[in-house]
Amino acid sequence: DAKTTQPPSMDCAEGRAANLPCNHSTISGNEYVYWYRQIHSQGPQYIIHGLKNNETNEMASLIITEDRKSSTLILPHATLRDTAVYYCIVRTNAGKSTFGDGTTLTVKP
Amino acid sequence: DAGITQSPRHKVTETGTPVTLRCHQTENHRYMYWYRQDPGHGLRLIHYSYGVKDTDKGEVSDGYSVSRSKTEDFLLTLESATSSQTSVYFCAISRGDSGSTDTQYFGPGTRLTVL
Repeated sequence: DAKTTQPPSMDCAEGRAANLPCNHSTISGNEYVYWYRQIHSQGPQYIIHGLKNNETNEMASLIITEDRKSSTLILPHATLRDTAVYYCIVRTNAGKSTFGDGTTLTVKP
Repeated sequence: DAGITQSPRHKVTETGTPVTLRCHQTENHRYMYWYRQDPGHGLRLIHYSYGVKDTDKGEVSDGYSVSRSKTEDFLLTLESATSSQTSVYFCAISRGDSGSTDTQYFGPGTRLTVL
């Protein structure tokens, strides 16, 4: 599976959009981009995934560049409860996946 | 939450003792995974299973063995625990259907301390 690169930390004001970038320049054609988050010491929680089209669900939006070498997770109206570590991973259908160190997002009042 | 439980949730043991962690799922998912997470780091895959009695190594498999005799249970064994295996261990499951995307769902974690 391809490796991903994320900034180690980001801040966001409460109520504003949080835009979390991820670089996956070695992604191959059959690999999906997944986003998870981990709050405190809980198990990671699935947020969203995509292949090449932009995706939106009740939690977030995922924007994938046309060349698929990078993506951005958007939390449209961040709340204090969105403070967490966000992981971007790429993987094929099932099997191994590699989690990097993620981005620690701190939402501030 | 996906039907995943891990036991025990906390364990303290001594160096050299065997330890077995259990992951139990009620979702009938094909794939099961064991990860470890150390302070300030992401998750690292230890082993995973793609069916009963079918397992494969992850990136940090040394010192660990796994077994899966039933779809719902995936056991992680530390044959002789070392202090470097002090960590939080997460189990995950995924459907693993051919041709579909494969979201992983994680358990609550087991905090293991090896003295």
